[in-house]
Amino acid sequence: KQEVTQIPAALSVPEGENLVLNCSFTDSAIYNLQWFRQDPGKGLTSLLLIQSSQREQTSGRLNASLDKSSGRSTLYIAASQPGDSATYLCALSYNTDKLIFGTGTRLQVFP
Amino acid sequence: ETGVTQTPRHLVMGMTNKKSLKCEQHLGHNAMYWYKQSAKKPLELMFVYSLEERVENNSVPSRFSPECPNSSHLFLHLHTLQPEDSALYLCASTWGRGRPYNEQFFGPGTRLTVL
Repeated sequence: KQEVTQIPAALSVPEGENLVLNCSFTDSAIYNLQWFRQDPGKGLTSLLLIQSSQREQTSGRLNASLDKSSGRSTLYIAASQPGDSATYLCALSYNTDKLIFGTGTRLQVFP
Repeated sequence: ETGVTQTPRHLVMGMTNKKSLKCEQHLGHNAMYWYKQSAKKPLELMFVYSLEERVENNSVPSRFSPECPNSSHLFLHLHTLQPEDSALYLCASTWGRGRPYNEQFFGPGTRLTVL
């Protein structure tokens, strides 16, 4: 059974800090990995998708990396802002369209 | 309307009621999904439809009954639910199986409360 763990579970930081969110998985034979953002009580917004042949993806202040051999992905958020406050989820697929979600990191960025 | 929409956004029902959740995608996708998000638990896949055919049922109780009349619409029919079924129900869509890039796009969810 694939397990996806996200550390830390919660994070509270002042704005301006650079952040690293971690996602670990037990089965490295992934097809792709996706990072999502979820605001309280809302749906998911896709942030970045990394295919298994890629090492990283970047979008604005966000950078996601993938190291399949070590079973890890990191989401780097540069110069954090209060608007970044949300729960961040990683999700993996294993050559199907079935996503296995992580436990999430709840981020709060205060002014 | 763009993206993936879900109605209603909030629903309160008794255990003896029958209700339906609706999902519509405006992205030209051909695969659609229902997920359940309970408090403090990871998102769980419930059903997958590809080309209007159910291709996966993730051991979901029969009190949840999905329906996919066409590739743009997905329903989740609910009957005789239990309080533990209270959760956020999310719909998603994608280009479907066989494609190398299968990013899933999610709707805003329906917050369901069962009394």
